[in-house]
Amino acid sequence: DGGITQSPKYLFRKEGQNVTLSCEQNLNHDAMYWYRQDPGQGLRLIYYSQIVNDFQKGDIAEGYSVSREKKESFPLTVTSAQKNPTAFYLCASLILAEAYEQYFGPGTRLTVT
Amino acid sequence: DAKTTQPNSMESNEEEPVHLPCNHSTISGTDYIHWYRQLPSQGPEYVIHGLTSNVNNRMASLAIAEDRKSSTLILHRATLRDAAVYYCILRDVGEYGNKLVFGAGTILRVKS
Repeated sequence: DGGITQSPKYLFRKEGQNVTLSCEQNLNHDAMYWYRQDPGQGLRLIYYSQIVNDFQKGDIAEGYSVSREKKESFPLTVTSAQKNPTAFYLCASLILAEAYEQYFGPGTRLTVT
Repeated sequence: DAKTTQPNSMESNEEEPVHLPCNHSTISGTDYIHWYRQLPSQGPEYVIHGLTSNVNNRMASLAIAEDRKSSTLILHRATLRDAAVYYCILRDVGEYGNKLVFGAGTILRVKS
């Protein structure tokens, strides 16, 4: 089945530790996105990438880093510099030629204590 | 980025039509209007999109005002499974590609 996989579903970390969230897609989509969602809020864009080895900052990139070494993978690292990392993180992908439907993964809920 | 304004919440009875409004007075000529919905603890799901003309698909209809400053998502017969947060979004096609700017959305409650 084609889709987007995010793992793990729940992640717990101690403050001061870096943590990497996985996002893999087998849809052969060009673009990939990372969003953050806080309780009762909409999604905010962290980073996005249109092609391999290239990515752009979204609205809240501080304290996060990404890489796009393969078309199907777009991992997000939440660094210790991110002041309030506890949130629901969503990965999405898109076919650039169509560009109207972003497919979202199931999300990872990160809790940092 | 152009912004959208939606009511915080709406309520509907099962089997009745639902009209979810969205204002986007600063929309530019090239912005597409998208609607997504999100069930609790899940990723958003695409519903429909349009540019100028009204659009229909199997899930919903999208009515776009002539001046494009507002739009309405229409669910023709609400079911309990339609209870979700509905986001009206303008797609920003910038130098580096497509961005969706999400607002807080409208919480739709469906009563049986």
